[in-house]
Amino acid sequence: AQSVAQPEDQVNVAEGNPLTVKCTYSVSGNPYLFWYVQYPNRGLQFLLKYITGDNLVKGSYGFEAEFNKSQTSFHLKKPSALVSDSALYFCACKYSGGGADGLTFGKGTHLIIQP
Amino acid sequence: DAGVTQSPTHLIKTRGQQVTLRCSPKSGHDTVSWYQQALGQGPQFIFQYYEEEERQRGNFPDRFSGHQFPNYSSELNVNALLLGDSALYLCASSLGGGTGTQYFGPGTRLTVL
Repeated sequence: AQSVAQPEDQVNVAEGNPLTVKCTYSVSGNPYLFWYVQYPNRGLQFLLKYITGDNLVKGSYGFEAEFNKSQTSFHLKKPSALVSDSALYFCACKYSGGGADGLTFGKGTHLIIQP
Repeated sequence: DAGVTQSPTHLIKTRGQQVTLRCSPKSGHDTVSWYQQALGQGPQFIFQYYEEEERQRGNFPDRFSGHQFPNYSSELNVNALLLGDSALYLCASSLGGGTGTQYFGPGTRLTVL
């Protein structure tokens, strides 16, 4: 069985400071990893994904994430936070083997950017 | 380019009733996945449809069933509704399997009274 852990329910960052939202995963075999963002009363918006290759993945709105196989982590980062980045962030994974396409999500992390 | 659309936006039902939710995938996508997101939780995978067949199923009872039509749109049916079925139901579409990114619709908010 696969699982995703987001250890922080909430992360508070001052505008202009760098931000990190943490994610660790457990998957048998090689993982595919994703970050999504959810605004109130909205569906999930895709930010970025890791499939293979370079461990540093760049995505939408200036976000990036680093895949660390030894630590089984995929932390989301941004060099300079904006107030508009405030939202609920979900990390997700799936097994890279064929046929198993259902995503397993973490519980989410509320990111609050203070002006 | 139309994204994933879902209907209705909101729905209120009573225990024991049946409900049907609908999803139209993003243009060019052929795979539809359904997720349940309870309040304060991450989405949980219900099942996925590809080529009009259920390809994979999560840990949900048989009360949850679905269908995919030749135009790739999909329905989620829930029978014998329970209070615990109250949630946001999300539809996601993708192209084939493997590395295809899943793009989500806005969801249907189901309230069971």
